Amino acid sequence: DAKTTQPNSMESNEEEPVHLPCNHSTISGTDYIHWYRQLPSQGPEYVIHGLTSNVNNRMASLAIAEDRKSSTLILHRATLRDAAVYYCILRDRERGAQKLVFGQGTRLTINP
Amino acid sequence: DAGVIQSPRHEVTEMGQEVTLRCKPISGHDYLFWYRQTMMRGLELLIYFNNNVPIDDSGMPEDRFSAKMPNASFSTLKIQPSEPRDSAVYFCASSRLPKWTDSSSNTEAFFGQGTRLTVV
Repeated sequence: DAKTTQPNSMESNEEEPVHLPCNHSTISGTDYIHWYRQLPSQGPEYVIHGLTSNVNNRMASLAIAEDRKSSTLILHRATLRDAAVYYCILRDRERGAQKLVFGQGTRLTINP
Repeated sequence: DAGVIQSPRHEVTEMGQEVTLRCKPISGHDYLFWYRQTMMRGLELLIYFNNNVPIDDSGMPEDRFSAKMPNASFSTLKIQPSEPRDSAVYFCASSRLPKWTDSSSNTEAFFGQGTRLTVV
C-alpha cells in the first residue's frame, strides 16, 4: 500500500481556516486520495476524496497538487466540533482492493 | 438505515475466556471490515470480506482470532482464548462496491461505534 505522511498534530483557532497537509510521493495513477476523521470516542467518518481535481463538499475542500504527490484538506472555518484525528489514506482503484489502511493521522486541536 | 451496528458496546472479560464481537453492516454493502484500535498501534485492519467471503486476513494477529460472515447482514469476530493484550476498541465498517467507471463514485466506508474490550 502506498504510504502517506502527515504531521502528528496541529492547532488552530475557532472560526479560522485550517490546512491539513498530506504527502504521498509514491502515489500511483490509480490511487484515490481519501480523508477520514475520528472524533473523540467515535468511529472514523468519511470527510472527502479525490483523484486529480480539487474537490469541495459541505464538510471540507481537498486541494490536490498537480503531480499528485501531496494534498491538503481545508476546513474553511473551524469549529470546536472539528477537533479530531484526521487521516489521509490512499485507495487503489485498479487492484479493486477496498481496504482502508490508516496511518497515525494528524491530531487537530481547536482553541476557542 | 441505522448505520453499522456493533454489539456489545463494552465487554469486560477474564483472561482465557472466549469473546465474540458482533457486527451488522449497512444493508446493500458488499464489503465488511474489522479494525482494532489501541493507543500504541493506532487503527489496524484485521480482516475484510467481500460478499461474505474473507479477502484479506493478513492483519489477524494470531490463531486466537477468527472472523466469520455467515450472511450479508451479520459478522462476528471471535477471540479464544482472550489475553490482556487484546484489550482495545474494535470497529466494524462496511462499504459498497464502487463503480470504477465513474471517477466520482465513492467507496465511503461507514464505521460502527465500536466495542471497547477489556481483558483482565
